[in-house]
Amino acid sequence: GQNIDQPTEMTATEGAIVQINCTYQTSGFNGLFWYQQHAGEAPTFLSYNVLDGLEEKGRFSSFLSRSKGYSYLLLKELQMKDSASYLCAASDSNYQLIWGAGTKLIIKP
Amino acid sequence: SQTIHQWPATLVQPVGSPLSLECTVEGTSNPNLYWYRQAAGRGLQLLFYSVGIGQISSEVPQNLSASRPQDRQFILSSKKLLLSDSGFYLCAWSPGDSGANVLTFGAGSRLTVL
Repeated sequence: GQNIDQPTEMTATEGAIVQINCTYQTSGFNGLFWYQQHAGEAPTFLSYNVLDGLEEKGRFSSFLSRSKGYSYLLLKELQMKDSASYLCAASDSNYQLIWGAGTKLIIKP
Repeated sequence: SQTIHQWPATLVQPVGSPLSLECTVEGTSNPNLYWYRQAAGRGLQLLFYSVGIGQISSEVPQNLSASRPQDRQFILSSKKLLLSDSGFYLCAWSPGDSGANVLTFGAGSRLTVL
């Protein structure tokens, strides 16, 4: 079957770095997405990886290893506004997204 | 630029009542359209998606239905709501000509069935 695993909750300190891991199993693969979702709001797109390696966008970076079925989202210089859930989603052979349950990130001062 | 509108934002409905959630997209043509449901603490569950007018694919058997009467309009309906229909409903769109489907979501509709 198709499955996405990511930690349920993580806690980090303002100004620090945090890495949110995601492993996936899909029928075919057409890329890995990360979305940010603040409480009570809709998810917003953060990053997309289809090739192995690291994609950097300001304070956020996303990494993909296709051979390991693994991705991570790296957040640097954490700010209080980064407190949110981070959703990992893999695109399968039919370009349908398989979603993880999300990782709730709590930032402490 | 493209925008997506979804309404109503919140609603409280009794069991057995009907439901209609509406979603419209502006600034693009022939988008792929999606309805998702998100239960508390759980991932997004795809309910319906559409690649064109009148073309609806259902992912989960349930008492919900979807319709796409116009190119940029997507409607989620139910004739009789169940308690289990409570949740956060999200409409989304992606470009119709792209395989790498970056989804843009509407603001969501929070449904409470009592």
